[in-house]
Amino acid sequence: NAGVTQTPKFQVLKTGQSMTLQCAQDMNHNSMYWYRQDPGMGLRLIYYSASEGTTDKGEVPNGYNVSRLNKREFSLRLESAAPSQTSVYFCASSRGYTGNTIYFGEGSWLTVV
Amino acid sequence: AQTVTQSQPEMSVQEAETVTLSCTYDTSESDYYLFWYKQPPSRQMILVIRQEAYKQQNATENRFSVNFQKAAKSFSLKISDSQLGDAAMYFCDLNAGNMLTFGGGTRLMVKP
Repeated sequence: NAGVTQTPKFQVLKTGQSMTLQCAQDMNHNSMYWYRQDPGMGLRLIYYSASEGTTDKGEVPNGYNVSRLNKREFSLRLESAAPSQTSVYFCASSRGYTGNTIYFGEGSWLTVV
Repeated sequence: AQTVTQSQPEMSVQEAETVTLSCTYDTSESDYYLFWYKQPPSRQMILVIRQEAYKQQNATENRFSVNFQKAAKSFSLKISDSQLGDAAMYFCDLNAGNMLTFGGGTRLMVKP
């Protein structure tokens, strides 16, 4: 089972460049999430989509946009990358938004120079 | 606002011994869920255990169990018979209302 698949796994960007992180899940989950994890720190929620057709800001949404393309796919876009966005990004999904186990992708290492 | 605090940045345990990781939280919600996730060096986040706040019985999963003290807003994870493969970062997670909040993590080292 693929679970949650995110691409790319590694990316180096120059300051000001844009890029999109792709995420897809094959578990028919309703809710999807994007987190970032900085070195030695926990996960911080960037954006989430509680159900298809909805997106909401999390704790650290500035500098990011998201698109819930369909039930399977949830992309994260950096319009103008900044060094402060250097991080590991995790896409995740769950059956519902409340009380359900979150399943994570393997992470995308993003470096902005 | 809700908060999750893991007060132990690092813990160490001898193989086959028992270790307890602490987590305290704060929320105004009466119905919520608590999770422990494990993140090994591969960075893949894996669910360890889940607790529903309305259940008084502490959750257990094989060698992993929790001590859930609702009044004290405490949710500690006990790992029995520690194994080398338990070495990882452990994150406590609170799902309350429409918010998901992770603690800062505890790095567990297992000594052979």
